[in-house]
Amino acid sequence: QVQLQESGPGQVKPSQTLSLTCTVSGTSMRSGYYYWSWIRQPAGKGLEWTGRIYTNGFGSTNYNPSLRGRVTISLDTSKNQFSLKLSSVTAADTAVYYCARGRDDYNGYRIDYWGRGTLVTVSS
Amino acid sequence: QSVLTQPPSASGTPGQRVTISCSGSSSNIGTNTVSWYQHLPGTAPKLLIYSDNQWPSGVPDRFSGSKSDTSASLAISGLQSEDEADYYCAVWDDSVNAYIFGTGTKVSVL
Repeated sequence: QVQLQESGPGQVKPSQTLSLTCTVSGTSMRSGYYYWSWIRQPAGKGLEWTGRIYTNGFGSTNYNPSLRGRVTISLDTSKNQFSLKLSSVTAADTAVYYCARGRDDYNGYRIDYWGRGTLVTVSS
Repeated sequence: QSVLTQPPSASGTPGQRVTISCSGSSSNIGTNTVSWYQHLPGTAPKLLIYSDNQWPSGVPDRFSGSKSDTSASLAISGLQSEDEADYYCAVWDDSVNAYIFGTGTKVSVL
């Protein structure tokens, strides 16, 4: 059974960089071709996709254009982890952050496994 | 900005059928397949439907999905108390090259 677990600071100061890590268990990130994604949910609001990275050997990425170049997702397959960095954070970036696995085939793209999420608060 | 519009809420009594709509555009629903996710607060969201109308293993067939042109729907038949949750449609949008979620629908069982 694939499991994902988010970790990182629960509080970040405004203008600083938010950094989170997702540890994957139950499968090797080196096997198969999957998209490793981050999704967030501000309190009282809906889900927002932040971006994904593909395990195709090139680490191709796609990011939510609304994040205006502030987001970077990277892989460390030796540790079976992937990470999120979001720079120049403001209070609007306060949210529960979920890491997840996606797949894309003839059935289209979907996210089939999710972590339980971690709350990150942007506050001084 | 690409948007998937859902009704904010839907409700029904146990055993009833509830339908949730998801309205998009030609660059998303009109081109790519739709997924639906169930989210109970404090838990990991769960994939309910993919490829417009396919069930992942373990999802009961009380949940069904459909799509027509630029709109999609999720139907819950035989509504149960454990179906109280937030439901989101989602689809890849070719115009912004991003995965977009619907605005979300809160389902209540009366």
